[in-house]
Amino acid sequence: EAQVTQNPRYLITVTGKKLTVTCSQNMNHEYMSWYRQDPGLGLRQIYYSMNVEVTDKGDVPEGYKVSRKEKRNFPLILESPSPNQTSLYFCASSFVSSRPFFGPGTRLTVL
Amino acid sequence: GENVEQHPSTLSVQEGDSAVIKCTYSDSASNYFPWYKQELGKRPQLIIDIRSNVGEKKDQRIAVTLNKTAKHFSLHITETQPEDSAVYFCAAPRSGGGADGLTFGKGTHLIIQP
Repeated sequence: EAQVTQNPRYLITVTGKKLTVTCSQNMNHEYMSWYRQDPGLGLRQIYYSMNVEVTDKGDVPEGYKVSRKEKRNFPLILESPSPNQTSLYFCASSFVSSRPFFGPGTRLTVL
Repeated sequence: GENVEQHPSTLSVQEGDSAVIKCTYSDSASNYFPWYKQELGKRPQLIIDIRSNVGEKKDQRIAVTLNKTAKHFSLHITETQPEDSAVYFCAAPRSGGGADGLTFGKGTHLIIQP
C-alpha cells in the first residue's frame, strides 16, 4: 500500500527540549516536504527536498531543520521548540513538487 | 513568491444546492492549480487540479474553472451531499515554474445543511 507515515502522531513537550518528527514514504518519490497547519492560516511549507542531500527553505523555516540522507526518509527537527511551534505538521511526498501526497499529520504541543 | 487568496472562509449551503469557492493568485507564470479536501481530523487529499492550458475541468459533481487573464480559479460542487462537508484548500506553485512546492490558500470550511 502506497503511504506516507509520520511518527509520532501526537506529542506534548516542553520549551527547549529537542525533538524529531520522522517521515517515511514507500513510493520512491523524489520530492518531499513539510507543512504546518494553523487555524486561519492554511498550510504553509516549512522545508522541501527535491532529492537525497538536496533541501531548501520553504515559507516558514525559522526554528526547524531537516535532512535527507535517504530517499524514503525526511525527518523534521526542532532543536529548541517554542510554544509558537505548537501546530499540526504534515509531511508530504510526490514525483513532482506540485502534487504532494500528505501523511496523516503530527499534532505537536509545546508547553 | 506566489500569493493565493481564497474566499469565502466559511460557506454554508443546503444539501442539493451548489457551492462555489474562489481563489486568486499573483504570479502570472503559475501554470498548475490543485484543490485539496480535508475532512475533520484527516489529511488533505487532492480532489481535482487544472493546468493553465485549459479553462475548465470536470470530474462528476466537481469542476474547476480557470481565468488566466484575471488570475483566478474556482471550485464548483453541484448537488452537494453531506459527505462534501470539509475544509477545501486551493493552491498554486510557490514560484511560477513549480519546482519548489505549493502555496495554499487559507481554506474554506464548507458546511452542508440537511
